[in-house]
Amino acid sequence: GAVVSQHPSWVICKSGTSVKIECRSLDFQATTMFWYRQFPKQSLMLMATSNEGSKATYEQGVEKDKFLINHASLTLSTLTVTSAHPEDSSFYICSARDLGLTGSAGEKLFFGSGTQLSVL
Amino acid sequence: AQSVTQPDIHITVSEGASLELRCNYSYGATPYLFWYVQSPGQGLQLLLKYFSGDTLVQGIKGFEAEFKRSQSSFNLRKPSVHWSDAAEYFCAVGAITGGFKTIFGAGTRLFVKA
Repeated sequence: GAVVSQHPSWVICKSGTSVKIECRSLDFQATTMFWYRQFPKQSLMLMATSNEGSKATYEQGVEKDKFLINHASLTLSTLTVTSAHPEDSSFYICSARDLGLTGSAGEKLFFGSGTQLSVL
Repeated sequence: AQSVTQPDIHITVSEGASLELRCNYSYGATPYLFWYVQSPGQGLQLLLKYFSGDTLVQGIKGFEAEFKRSQSSFNLRKPSVHWSDAAEYFCAVGAITGGFKTIFGAGTRLFVKA
């Protein structure tokens, strides 16, 4: 099956630094990738929809200048948490839609393994 | 290692029939369990979650799920399926591993026939 690789799986950083998280589709092309965050004991929250070659669409309440998303190719989207603060500590996960699948199968989502971010 | 298995890639049921989507997990401690639905063109929506307490959990849209520790299962059920329930369903496990992370199953596509 399709594989989405997310890296790093775990990162600890100092407050004020920036952290980049990569999401790669390894064996398929993904025009659309989604970025979610999750706090303990809560459900996923969609942050933004990343479209290849265009600006990401952010959900209401998500700071686009703080969470920079770049989708420069059909197989890579990155999320950069800029000037991270302890409240940004969370679990971040990406998912991708396979461009090669059509019809209802084209809606199939594949998930990365997630990134645990801890900001000290 | 933690893992989530959804044995059925796709399921077809008739409208009005009952539904059960299977989910098995592997986790050393008591898990946090979720079911999400993804409808075409939309993002994930949380159907229900289990953290503790009553093992039969009620969710939105008439769905329920039952946590069975002995079987490491968290199957999703609905007594009567509507055509609008056609979607992709994901089971997920929340794990505490120095932080909190979620592991997703591969998903089950539900088709509803008239």
